[in-house]
Amino acid sequence: GAGVSQSPRYKVAKRGQDVALRCDPISGHVSLFWYQQALGQGPEFLTYFQNEAQLDKSGLPSDRFFAERPEGSVSTLKIQRTQQEDSAVYLCASSFGSPPTNEKLFFGSGTQLSVL
Amino acid sequence: AQSVSQHNHHVILSEAASLELGCNYSYGGTVNLFWYVQYPGQHLQLLLKYFSGDPLVKGIKGFEAEFIKSKFSFNLRKPSVQWSDTAEYFCAVNARGSTLGRLYFGRGTQLTVWP
Repeated sequence: GAGVSQSPRYKVAKRGQDVALRCDPISGHVSLFWYQQALGQGPEFLTYFQNEAQLDKSGLPSDRFFAERPEGSVSTLKIQRTQQEDSAVYLCASSFGSPPTNEKLFFGSGTQLSVL
Repeated sequence: AQSVSQHNHHVILSEAASLELGCNYSYGGTVNLFWYVQYPGQHLQLLLKYFSGDPLVKGIKGFEAEFIKSKFSFNLRKPSVQWSDTAEYFCAVNARGSTLGRLYFGRGTQLTVWP
């Protein structure tokens, strides 16, 4: 596609529900990143994939958060037993290469998650 | 750990005014520096970046930023803003040698330009 696509655009969940957020990166992009952006804050890194390999998951806030990219293209971020503090915009970004120093990140529009 | 400070949370200007948005970071090593912009209803996009070389970096739409290593700063400037510059601006840093996309963002500055 023309850009990074994320779905759904908005998600409302009841506390305790599981949610799955989808990211469709630009075709051919090797690197994929997930970020969490709380209201009034900048994005915070969650995890990074190079193809299907999850190379860095140090930003995942708890073991309720899980991300996968099984075929090296589409990625899913899953949050189990959602809590109110999980309410945020979840951003996906991709880049063409396994990063050299001049790579450009392309961001999606995000999924706004509201946990009631 | 790295952190980024953007001290101006909301800036309001009239068209043709000059702009300077502050960005300071804390990290003892070598960094790559970025400014991202998010226009209303759109996704984050890269405005400009600094990796090495000339510390004065020019980006799209007439924006520029200056890296001052001694001050750990990377302030964004534009001599004359336009109404279409209304957006949220994020400064970000990345430790040189780490995964490039592992960025540390500031909390952002909302710029409102009145026509």
